[in-house]
Amino acid sequence: TQLLEQSPQFLSIQEGENLTVYCNSSSVFSSLQWYRQEPGEGPVLLVTVVTGGEVKKLKRLTFQFGDARKDSSLHITAAQPGDTGLYLCAGAQSSNYKLTFGKGTLLTVNP
Amino acid sequence: NAGVTQTPKFQVLKTGQSMTLQCAQDMNHEYMSWYRQDPGMGLRLIHYSVGAGITDQGEVPNGYNVSRSTTEDFPLRLLSAAPSQTSVYFCASSFQAGTGIYFGDGTRLSIL
Repeated sequence: TQLLEQSPQFLSIQEGENLTVYCNSSSVFSSLQWYRQEPGEGPVLLVTVVTGGEVKKLKRLTFQFGDARKDSSLHITAAQPGDTGLYLCAGAQSSNYKLTFGKGTLLTVNP
Repeated sequence: NAGVTQTPKFQVLKTGQSMTLQCAQDMNHEYMSWYRQDPGMGLRLIHYSVGAGITDQGEVPNGYNVSRSTTEDFPLRLLSAAPSQTSVYFCASSFQAGTGIYFGDGTRLSIL
């Protein structure tokens, strides 16, 4: 079983602060995805990264895939209360069809 | 914009009862899957399908059955409910396996 470890598990910050959450594994992934989940809803796909070293930006969110395709980070600039939620990373391996999910980082942005 | 539709949204069962969680998608996606989400455990794959007539087991398949007779539908059956199956169940679909997936809003299931 391939494990994805996310850190930190919990993060509580004030509006306007910057933050980074991490997703690490000892396995190589063909692609890695980030999702955000709000209470009572299903996860929503934010981004997919497929190339080692790739950086993608989505407004104030910056996603990076590690050079060795074993890790990823999500950086949020000037966090807002609307960014509050559970952030999940998930890795896909080319050898099978299964996604492996990390346990998530629960982010709270206080006004 | 229907996407992935799950029914029911909430269900309470007694131990030993059986039931079917329904899942339908209108995006003509070939790949569909079922996950359960439990506190401290994250999302765990139960079963998945890469196309009509093809299903396979995920990480935690025991106690669950699936079938895929059409591209649109992927029901999950609990054969004899147990308290350990109390969880939130999510159905998901994608255009192809290994890519970003679209989730339904979940079914919250309690087994007494």
